[in-house]
Amino acid sequence: SQKIEQNSEALNIQEGKTATLTCNYTNYSPAYLQWYRQDPGRGPVFLLLIRENEKEKRKERLKVTFDTTLKQSLFHITASQPADSATYLCALGDSGYALNFGKGTSLLVTP
Amino acid sequence: DVKVTQSSRYLVKRTGEKVFLECVQDMDHENMFWYRQDPGLGLRLIYFSYDVKMKEKGDIPEGYSVSREKKERFSLILESASTNQTSMYLCASSFTGRYYEQYFGPGTRLTVT
Repeated sequence: SQKIEQNSEALNIQEGKTATLTCNYTNYSPAYLQWYRQDPGRGPVFLLLIRENEKEKRKERLKVTFDTTLKQSLFHITASQPADSATYLCALGDSGYALNFGKGTSLLVTP
Repeated sequence: DVKVTQSSRYLVKRTGEKVFLECVQDMDHENMFWYRQDPGLGLRLIYFSYDVKMKEKGDIPEGYSVSREKKERFSLILESASTNQTSMYLCASSFTGRYYEQYFGPGTRLTVT
């Protein structure tokens, strides 16, 4: 069955450093991958989308890579700030309808 | 700005009650989704709808039903609430087609006692 894995342990980093979050998947060939941010008690908010034929996508301090051979996506936040502290979810899709979400990784950026 | 609203932020119901959760979106999206989110289990899809009166089961449809009579509104119904349905319920909407993101509502935290 399809499986999406994100680090279950929280990632703690110092302000100014680059945070790198990982999303691995098995038994799946997604057409695209999305990353969302979720703050406590709120709904997820879309951040970035990367298609299967794209290697890398950037948006301001965010960078996403997508390696369909390794079946992995990396999500980077450069020059991290305490305001970046949240849970980050990856989601895979193929049909244009439903997404399959990972369980998320909690990021804590300390001053 | 896309807005997805949910009828309640917090709801407390008793076991056996019929519960309605409503979701409204204002962006003319074709697709609407209901998820529940539990610690350690992540977001799990209950049902989705790709058009008015159309619905598809997600990963965990048991104990739930849905209704979509108008394009902008998608309702989740718990026919007879049980304590294991205590959870955060999230509604989302999107355009149909690949590469469209989902827009989420603020969530309804339902407690069944």
